[in-house]
Amino acid sequence: DIQMTQSPSSLSASVGDRVTITCRASQSISRYLNWYQQKPGKAPKLLIYAASSLRGGVPSRFSGSGSGTDFTLTISSLQPEDLATYYCQQSYSTPQFTFGPGTKVDIK
Amino acid sequence: QVQLVQSGAEVKKPGASVKVSCKASGYTFTTFDINWVRQAPGQGLEWMGWMNPNSGNAGYAQKFQGRVTITRNSSITTVYMELSSLRSDDTAVYYCARVKVAAGTDAFDIWGQGTIITVSS
Repeated sequence: DIQMTQSPSSLSASVGDRVTITCRASQSISRYLNWYQQKPGKAPKLLIYAASSLRGGVPSRFSGSGSGTDFTLTISSLQPEDLATYYCQQSYSTPQFTFGPGTKVDIK
Repeated sequence: QVQLVQSGAEVKKPGASVKVSCKASGYTFTTFDINWVRQAPGQGLEWMGWMNPNSGNAGYAQKFQGRVTITRNSSITTVYMELSSLRSDDTAVYYCARVKVAAGTDAFDIWGQGTIITVSS
């Protein structure tokens, strides 16, 4: 089974800061990597698919990069509404999927 | 609009079973797989299994093999997830999610609102 890890597990940043979250797969998954945002008490929402493709309607301050085993999600200028937990997900082994443990983003 | 609407919260006793429904609307039901994901209190997302509504084929995470069954009723565009032999650590929010292929990869583009299942004696 493919295992996913994320770092950091949580972070606190100020409005306007650049934030980077890292996701690592236990084996190469090419670019089969998605990112989700989950706000408190809500269902997750798809942000980025195929490592770097921004879903329609998602603000352009969100971006994704990487391939193989190492991936990053970047928020170029953190906004108050970005308070959430962010999860990566591998879809290399579809129809079986694995999520990362999540990164909680707080606003200072 | 495209949406998945899940059944309401339930409280179950240990050892019982629960069946959660996920009704799809706004798109052709048989075109997209439906997956189930759960989230224990304060924890992360845990993938449970998938269903192809066209073929009726389903698959499950190894952790849940033998305890979970995913079925569908195409006439009412609804997918079901049944979990048996419930334990206290099955207390969680259960989500259904639609899988869409984009840029050659599968992603969960539409999610249900979640169903809270509480297991308590």
